[in-house]
Amino acid sequence: NAGVTQTPKFQVLKTGQSMTLQCAQDMNHNSMYWYRQDPGMGLRLIYYSASEGTTDKGEVPNGYNVSRLNKREFSLRLESAAPSQTSVYFCASSPNRNRVGGYTFGSGTRLTVV
Amino acid sequence: GESVGLHLPTLSVQEGDNSIINCAYSNSASDYFIWYKQESGKGPQFIIDIRSNMDKRQGQRVTVLLNKTVKHLSLQIAATQPGDSAVYFCAENMGFKTIFGAGTRLFVKA
Repeated sequence: NAGVTQTPKFQVLKTGQSMTLQCAQDMNHNSMYWYRQDPGMGLRLIYYSASEGTTDKGEVPNGYNVSRLNKREFSLRLESAAPSQTSVYFCASSPNRNRVGGYTFGSGTRLTVV
Repeated sequence: GESVGLHLPTLSVQEGDNSIINCAYSNSASDYFIWYKQESGKGPQFIIDIRSNMDKRQGQRVTVLLNKTVKHLSLQIAATQPGDSAVYFCAENMGFKTIFGAGTRLFVKA
């Protein structure tokens, strides 16, 4: 039972480089999310996909794009990385958007932009 | 404004004692609350939830209490074990919106 799988686990980028964070879930969940976690702050929502074929901005979408490739996969792209995007990124899923039962989170991607 | 906060950023308890982690929320319209546990290097894990029409819910060694009058949520862990050492988050849900607290780090002393 893999749950939510994120890759890579660690990444170092130079300012201006691009990269895509991958996320896949095997629980047949409809809704998927990308969060970032910074020291001393609660998780902040970057983008979410309520269902396959839809994506919407969250609280901090600037500098990011997403793709809901199919029901299982939801990727996050940084087009031109900036030091302010240094963070730990978590992908999460839930059965539906109402999140009854909460989220299932991946193990995170620790990204450093130098 | 809307916020979910924690009274203490760190909590240190003796193994075998009970732990109480507190959380304040500001939105009276919040109707669903969740506690998560995050171990070092891992993603948050669901522990227990409670709806606003309840004031107490028990799980295995954990109890969540909700006081809507003062907008306060607490997580009680009975007989705290070394494996309980982690950061604990409170999350407040208002419709489709979730706000996470910054977290409390629980240290368990042997």
